[in-house]
Amino acid sequence: EADIYQTPRYLVIGTGKKITLECSQTMGHDKMYWYQQDPGMELHLIHYSYGVNSTEKGDLSSESTVSRIRTEHFPLTLESARPSHTSQYLCASTRGGFTEAFFGQGTRLTVV
Amino acid sequence: KQEVTQIPAALSVPEGENLVLNCSFTDSAIYNLQWFRQDPGKGLTSLLLIQSSQREQTSGRLNASLDKSSGRSTLYIAASQPGDSATYLCAAYNQGGKLIFGQGTELSVKP
Repeated sequence: EADIYQTPRYLVIGTGKKITLECSQTMGHDKMYWYQQDPGMELHLIHYSYGVNSTEKGDLSSESTVSRIRTEHFPLTLESARPSHTSQYLCASTRGGFTEAFFGQGTRLTVV
Repeated sequence: KQEVTQIPAALSVPEGENLVLNCSFTDSAIYNLQWFRQDPGKGLTSLLLIQSSQREQTSGRLNASLDKSSGRSTLYIAASQPGDSATYLCAAYNQGGKLIFGQGTELSVKP
């Protein structure tokens, strides 16, 4: 079983609130990723990090931001949540390049 | 630009049947391909990783093949069970080291 954890699993929040989705892994992986997935749709990469203090935007534009201060921790923040941010957010990690990716259980975010 | 396509989008089979899920990719210069399983509302569970130099990989009742020249990968599930019901996703690594996902095949195995 993969040692990558996301909290919270479910979050319902009002428009305009600031939120942080947590992602932690205990495998010592250097690369970490955030994907966004709408119901019944494919996963889209929104952020990735190749190591501490390294973050890049993914292929899908997102108003969220990320940070990577510690190897094991890759939080995602929305400064002002909007209904259009309602989605499932999935965190993943890999060791090095092109290796097996492990995913967390996801955070299902609903903005009302 | 790498694009990944999975057909069919949904598949329903009776228990015990052997089945094949298809995945095609546009750029034959892939750097490994991974199959995942996703249960409703959950994250992804890794099933198999096929390295670009391999032609197939096996785990239990699952066998995945990779044909780079034709841009195809297949996931073979033997003796399907109701517990196999889930969405199956394939993802190909592009040159930049990012996983590009297909839309998935939703599998339903009827008892």
